[in-house]
Amino acid sequence: DIVMTQTPLSSAVTLGQPASISCRSSESLVNSGGNTFLSWLHQRPGQPPRLLIHKISNRFSGVPDRFSGGGAGTDFTLKISRVEAEDVGVYYCMQAKQFPITFGQGTRLEIK
Amino acid sequence: EVELVESGGGLIQPGGSLSLSCAASGFSITSSYMAWVRQAPGKGLEWVSSLYSGDYTSYADSVKGRFTISRDDSTNTLFLQINNVGAGDMAMYYCVRGLYGAFDLWGQGTLVPVSS
Repeated sequence: DIVMTQTPLSSAVTLGQPASISCRSSESLVNSGGNTFLSWLHQRPGQPPRLLIHKISNRFSGVPDRFSGGGAGTDFTLKISRVEAEDVGVYYCMQAKQFPITFGQGTRLEIK
Repeated sequence: EVELVESGGGLIQPGGSLSLSCAASGFSITSSYMAWVRQAPGKGLEWVSSLYSGDYTSYADSVKGRFTISRDDSTNTLFLQINNVGAGDMAMYYCVRGLYGAFDLWGQGTLVPVSS
């Protein structure tokens, strides 16, 4: 199984300041077709997760441009340029290169 | 409106069986990648099963042989049959759609508490 490791596991950020979450996979997520199925999800308290970023860096429909994704191979990053109150919750990275599909442990973002 | 609505959750005893449903609207599940993801109370996300490319299925090792994913094209509904439930199966079960190698659409979830 591909193990997804996120750091940090929790982060407290001042409103308007940037935030960054890292995700490392135990093996390369590049598939035979050259695609990298690494995505980021955000879960607010009491809500289902919602997709933010797919294929490393593609913002999903309706996602604010303060969210950006980057990386390659085994190392990936989600960045929030200026944190807003609605960004609190837990962020997950996910790989869909192979079964079983696996998620990172989650990173809890709080407002300082 | 494009949405997924799960139902069928509820208290179940260890060893029991349950069938979860997911009614899709606004798109056809027949031509979509569909899956179930669960989340134990206070824990992270765990992929359970996928149904894709027609009738291909895949399962997490923890549920293989006990869970069955299926769909009814006539009602545009996805199912998850859960047999021989154990304490480790207690979770919120989310129905999801796959797109761009990610899960782009999530239902609100249906809760499966397990207790004797």
